Amino acid sequence: AQTVTQSQPEMSVQEAETVTLSCTYDTSESDYYLFWYKQPPSRQMILVIRQEAYKQQNATENRFSVNFQKAAKSFSLKISDSQLGDAAMYFCASLSSNYKLTFGKGTLLTVNP
Amino acid sequence: GAGVSQSPSNKVTEKGKDVELRCDPISGHTALYWYRQSLGQGLEFLIYFQGNSAPDKSGLPSDRFSAERTGGSVSTLTIQRTQQEDSAVYLCASRPGGVLVVEQFFGPGTRLTVL
Repeated sequence: AQTVTQSQPEMSVQEAETVTLSCTYDTSESDYYLFWYKQPPSRQMILVIRQEAYKQQNATENRFSVNFQKAAKSFSLKISDSQLGDAAMYFCASLSSNYKLTFGKGTLLTVNP
Repeated sequence: GAGVSQSPSNKVTEKGKDVELRCDPISGHTALYWYRQSLGQGLEFLIYFQGNSAPDKSGLPSDRFSAERTGGSVSTLTIQRTQQEDSAVYLCASRPGGVLVVEQFFGPGTRLTVL
């Protein structure tokens, strides 16, 4: 079974600053994917970034990047130049070979103007 | 194209009543998932349909929960004899189904409140 842990229930950041959200996971599989999803108050889950476990290079999508430490089973999300629209609940998730997602409990990000 | 849609957006029911929640996946997506998001919790897997294969029901919390998918498209999640602990947001997601396509596309969810 897979587990995903997000140890920060809430985080805050000043607009234009950088923030890092933490995530650790546990899996017995050798092939897996990791994701960060954003959920604004509209409830719509939006994929922010994904990482294939077999890739050593950290994924980057514009202002969003990850620090993937496979041996430590750590997968943190860095948001650079934070914007007011980044305020949301962020979920870390892992995908196993049976294509089911396992989610952490989420981190509520507040962006202060 | 259209994304995943769910109806109703919100549902309020009384304890003991049955409810049906509907999910319309993206056209052509063969994989469909149901998740439950309780207050302050992450998403919890409920059930997974893939094409014509038998669904993976391993996440259903009790036999009061069931789901079906008609014609490989629309899915209905049914909760019988609802309890207050069933109050949650129920999210549906779909995926194209190819082995190399892993991203799931989510609908806006149905917020269920059991009084």
